[in-house]
Amino acid sequence: DTGVSQNPRHKITKRGQNVTFRCDPISEHNRLYWYRQTLGQGPEFLTYFQNEAQLEKSRLLSDRFSAERPKGSFSTLEIQRTEQGDSAMYLCASSLGTGAGYTFGSGTRLTVV
Amino acid sequence: GDSVTQMEGPVTLSEEAFLTINCTYTATGYPSLFWYVQYPGEGLQLLLKATKADDKGSNKGFEATYRKETTSFHLEKGSVQVSDSAVYFCALMGSNSGYALNFGKGTSLLVTP
Repeated sequence: DTGVSQNPRHKITKRGQNVTFRCDPISEHNRLYWYRQTLGQGPEFLTYFQNEAQLEKSRLLSDRFSAERPKGSFSTLEIQRTEQGDSAMYLCASSLGTGAGYTFGSGTRLTVV
Repeated sequence: GDSVTQMEGPVTLSEEAFLTINCTYTATGYPSLFWYVQYPGEGLQLLLKATKADDKGSNKGFEATYRKETTSFHLEKGSVQVSDSAVYFCALMGSNSGYALNFGKGTSLLVTP
């Protein structure tokens, strides 16, 4: 296992289109997190799964955003009716418990034009 | 709520210079503290962590001590190298959240030969 994998690496979409990103965590990690990072800022928490259960969602996660983690393995983050303000790097991370810290993927960079 | 404040960059140093990146935090209870590093074109990597007051985290020549009395977790390195050029993020995990990391805005470091 080589770490957390995110696809695609880059996505350019037109405003109003839907996009979906995928994250494959480290296989034995039971926790999976999504963060968003805009230029010049630190990552901001979006949502968190423990196994297949989505346990917390940030207020940043509007109703246009939905995340799933079927069977507690990979996760998808979908953004409907994209807006220019959605342009950012979307980061996925996984962990086994919380004490060890997270392992982050390289992110998916979304550009909405 | 919980928050992290980092010194603003960019920081430019000559090779072998001493590095300090300041980080202070606001949190209730007893948070865990982290430093993450992001090299150009790569994902966030955990650099070091400390989970209780007076703990010192260290890795790759970097050190940071959890100071509860000053609510600080400053990052230091005695002799930086060109390969240390990256963006450094201070982060905390609140004792009440158990999962979400709060990040600072990041400090860009450029080390010149």
